[in-house]
Amino acid sequence: AQSVTQPDIHITVSEGASLELRCNYSYGATPYLFWYVQSPGQGLQLLLKYFSGDTLVQGIKGFEAEFKRSQSSFNLRKPSVHWSDAAEYFCAVGPSGGGADGLTFGKGTHLIIQP
Amino acid sequence: EAGVAQSPRYKIIEKRQSVAFWCNPISGHATLYWYQQILGQGPKLLIQFQNNGVVDDSQLPKDRFSAERLKGVDSTLKIQPAKLEDSAVYLCASSLWRAETQYFGPGTRLLVL
Repeated sequence: AQSVTQPDIHITVSEGASLELRCNYSYGATPYLFWYVQSPGQGLQLLLKYFSGDTLVQGIKGFEAEFKRSQSSFNLRKPSVHWSDAAEYFCAVGPSGGGADGLTFGKGTHLIIQP
Repeated sequence: EAGVAQSPRYKIIEKRQSVAFWCNPISGHATLYWYQQILGQGPKLLIQFQNNGVVDDSQLPKDRFSAERLKGVDSTLKIQPAKLEDSAVYLCASSLWRAETQYFGPGTRLLVL
């Protein structure tokens, strides 16, 4: 069965500093990979996705992620964070297989922005 | 374009009571998902519909949970009877077709006392 590991439960970054959130996955074939962001009391908003092709993908709000097959990783980066980036970030892999398409999510990384 | 709509946004019930959640997907989206998100964890898939048929309900606790999408548009998720451990956010998502990008609603936050 597939799985997603987000090693960092919490990350604190100063406003204006760069950010990297780690994501490692276990999947039997070439995965579809996603990063979602969740603000308090809100649903999940898609930041970016990788289906195939260029391994460096650009998303909304200045985020990017790189798919590294050899490392089974899909890390999220942003060159300069803003206070509004404070939220919970989830990495996900899919489809779930066996004819189904659900996503498997990591436990999330809580991003704190220091002024 | 309107997003995924869910109601109610919050619900508090006592254990052994029943509760129902409603979801209206993005117009034209054939695939609908229900996820359960327990505090401090990522969402976990409960059930996937394709139009009005069930694709995957392997993680749905069928002794107490049920879901339907009778006309292939909106969907209802029911819990009867509720347990304390059902306290969670229930998220609905939809996609245009299978294995495509899923768009999530705001969720229903359930507290079982």
